[in-house]
Amino acid sequence: AQSVTQPDIHITVSEGASLELRCNYSYGATPYLFWYVQSPGQGLQLLLKYFSGDTLVQGIKGFEAEFKRSQSSFNLRKPSVHWSDAAEYFCAVGPGGGADGLTFGKGTHLIIQP
Amino acid sequence: GAVVSQHPSRVICKSGTSVKIECRSLDFQATTMFWYRQFPKKSLMLMATSNEGSKATYEQGVEKDKFLINHASLTLSTLTVTSAHPEDSSFYICSARDPPVTDTQYFGPGTRLTVL
Repeated sequence: AQSVTQPDIHITVSEGASLELRCNYSYGATPYLFWYVQSPGQGLQLLLKYFSGDTLVQGIKGFEAEFKRSQSSFNLRKPSVHWSDAAEYFCAVGPGGGADGLTFGKGTHLIIQP
Repeated sequence: GAVVSQHPSRVICKSGTSVKIECRSLDFQATTMFWYRQFPKKSLMLMATSNEGSKATYEQGVEKDKFLINHASLTLSTLTVTSAHPEDSSFYICSARDPPVTDTQYFGPGTRLTVL
């Protein structure tokens, strides 16, 4: 069965500092990988996705993620965080084709210090 | 980008009553929609897959007679929580697959259900 692990429940970063959120997955085939962000009172917003090709994917809001098959990881990065980045971040894996639901990690709560 | 709405955003009901939650794709047609449940401090758990014009497919452990799903059109899926109990209180989120942009699900803002 597929699973997603986000080992950090909370992360605190100073504004302007770099950020890396970890995501490890377990999946029997080539995974389709996603990062979503959830702000209070708002729905999940897709930051970026990886299906195939270049393992470094660029997303919205200055985020990027790197797929590393050997480590079963898909870590999210941002070189300089802004206070508005404070939110809950979810990594998800799916079988592709869009016909099946996603399996989500438990999320990482990002706190931005001034 | 594709927009998915949910209604209502919050609902409070008495134990034993039924509650209907609507999920709409506003600017695209969605042959497939998904319903998730999110517990506090927990990830989203897939409840069921809703396909337009056919019966929903439920995940293991989800009671299909309690959580009725109807996908009557290409832009609307509904989730009805029947005979609600306090343990059904949760955050319910739907998503819709946008066919021209395959493999991507767009999520609604969620519905907070509180059963008293």
